[in-house]
Amino acid sequence: NAGVTQTPKFQVLKTGQSMTLQCAQDMNHEYMSWYRQDPGMGLRLIHYSVGAGITDQGEVPNGYNVSRSTTEDFPLRLLSAAPSQTSVYFCASRAGGGNSPLHFGNGTRLTVT
Amino acid sequence: EDKVVQSPLSLVVHEGDTVTLNCSYEVTNFRSLLWYKQEKKAPTFLFMLTSSGIEKKSGRLSSILDKKELFSILNITATQTGDSAIYLCAVRGGTSYGKLTFGQGTILTVHP
Repeated sequence: NAGVTQTPKFQVLKTGQSMTLQCAQDMNHEYMSWYRQDPGMGLRLIHYSVGAGITDQGEVPNGYNVSRSTTEDFPLRLLSAAPSQTSVYFCASRAGGGNSPLHFGNGTRLTVT
Repeated sequence: EDKVVQSPLSLVVHEGDTVTLNCSYEVTNFRSLLWYKQEKKAPTFLFMLTSSGIEKKSGRLSSILDKKELFSILNITATQTGDSAIYLCAVRGGTSYGKLTFGQGTILTVHP
């Protein structure tokens, strides 16, 4: 059982480039989310989805887009990368019902120069 | 806006010591508080607390919630070098499909 799989593990971008961080889960979880982790800031929610076709913004959504065409996949798109988006990105999912723990992927370390 | 504050932000101890990590919160329609341990990669789930005064325990780790005073503590007894990690506290409120709000984390370093 793979759980939550994120690709790539590392990425370096130049300012202005775009890219997509991939996230897939094989647990049939309804809820999926993206967080970024910066030193001293904890994990901050970027976007989340409660099911295929439904997405919403979190705490820090600017500069990022998401879509949810299937239950399994929840890609995060950086439209025009900025140095402020240098961070570690985590995808997480949980079963529906609202009070289940999140399961995290291993993260993508992104550097924007 | 939901808020979670952890203290201390970092802690250095020696093997065998006991540590207490703190988490205070403000959340609308509290549903649960969760503790995670993060080593090199993904945070891994430790405990979920929903009721005041009921201790959750797993080996040398234990946690308790005080819903009146809006805080939780995570205790680790007889610490080992493998306990070195970032410990994250998160709360879930009753809005926005139960999204989690995380604290800044406590960096625990256990020296041999």
